[in-house]
Amino acid sequence: ETGVTQSPTHLIKTRGQQVTLRCSSQSGHNTVSWYQQALGQGPQFIFQYYREEENGRGNFPPRFSGLQFPNYSSELNVNALELDDSALYLCASSSPDRSITDTQYFGPGTRLTVL
Amino acid sequence: GENVEQHPSTLSVQEGDSAVIKCTYSDSASNYFPWYKQELGKGPQLIIDIRSNVGEKKDQRIAVTLNKTAKHFSLHITETQPEDSAVYFCAASITAYSGYALNFGKGTSLLVTP
Repeated sequence: ETGVTQSPTHLIKTRGQQVTLRCSSQSGHNTVSWYQQALGQGPQFIFQYYREEENGRGNFPPRFSGLQFPNYSSELNVNALELDDSALYLCASSSPDRSITDTQYFGPGTRLTVL
Repeated sequence: GENVEQHPSTLSVQEGDSAVIKCTYSDSASNYFPWYKQELGKGPQLIIDIRSNVGEKKDQRIAVTLNKTAKHFSLHITETQPEDSAVYFCAASITAYSGYALNFGKGTSLLVTP
């Protein structure tokens, strides 16, 4: 069974630029969630995708957007990067089994640095 | 908004001792409470979880207890080993969304010294 994978591992951007982060869900998982983890903090929910549609969104501005593809992989796009966007971006996937669909398995993350 | 508070922020124990981490949550509708272990440079790893219809769950050296009335839950690690050293996060399910999302505490940095 393949776990959640994310790319790239690290990324450096400058203020105002745009970035795309990618995630492949664990085998058999059809729901993908994205979280932002600032240094020394717990992860914060950005949004979730299910059946290629956004299925819930946290307190993040519209310049954070996403996509889910038919193979359940997902992208997180951030426009007009700000210094505060520097963080570890985590992707998590969960199973379609209704009894455990709230259980989320995380990938290793993408470390984004905005200069 | 709803939040999860976690204590202590740092915890140092000697190998073989027990470690206890406590969390409180504010959303009374939360019904799922996982615990994650995060090692340096890695993503959070699920170590144990509990649902609101259960008061206690154990998996080898790890146990979690839940008090829904008081809205708090705790992680207990017995016979700690140096490889238990990591940052531990508690989380509670967010009920404001149609899907399933988690609200995390700020983490506890556990150090187990030989």
